[in-house]
Amino acid sequence: DTEVTQTPKHLVMGMTNKKSLKCEQHMGHRAMYWYKQKAKKPPELMFVYSYEKLSINESVPSRFSPECPNSSLLNLHLHALQPEDSALYLCASSQEGLAGDLGTDTQYFGPGTRLTVL
Amino acid sequence: SQKIEQNSEALNIQEGKTATLTCNYTNYSPAYLQWYRQDPGRGPVFLLLIRENEKEKRKERLKVTFDTTLKQSLFHITASQPADSATYLCALVRGNQFYFGTGTSLTVIP
Repeated sequence: DTEVTQTPKHLVMGMTNKKSLKCEQHMGHRAMYWYKQKAKKPPELMFVYSYEKLSINESVPSRFSPECPNSSLLNLHLHALQPEDSALYLCASSQEGLAGDLGTDTQYFGPGTRLTVL
Repeated sequence: SQKIEQNSEALNIQEGKTATLTCNYTNYSPAYLQWYRQDPGRGPVFLLLIRENEKEKRKERLKVTFDTTLKQSLFHITASQPADSATYLCALVRGNQFYFGTGTSLTVIP
């Protein structure tokens, strides 16, 4: 199973709502990532979890809160978002992440969650 | 910070021709350079990686070159097919720094 799944596929939320994005992989990977991608732009790395510990937080606003309950699951909790946060949110996983060599550690991406903030 | 630019936002070529995409970077040389393919509404899919001490890598119809002097990587698709139409992204990696390039949208015309 080389699949990374993400739910929901689409999400519309108001600025006062609290919602969560979910990501799951069953490849035994020990690193998981959240990316944000705006239209016609490349993905931007937000967070990296390596062995269930937050390893990288790329100066992401606190209204985005990641959580890694176990090595197969990754959540992104959303609260008090702004309309400019509307984007495609991608999850990825890799074998070792920062515990290994990031350069050779192939990332497998999920299909993404299309988020719209009204 | 690292700036990564890929050639023209869009590239159209005739089926059967070789598509050549470029990835130019500023500042420090990455230890690795990866290439991904992204279809609309989907996540990127890894294609190839090349190390800073390698000049060229091949995989089937794909070829990647890496010139640290020019600070450039070239990505070639030979005998291109309409199914190769997608956005192609380069990604630079050094230590725990991972950055995607701006991407090039390739259309292969039948």
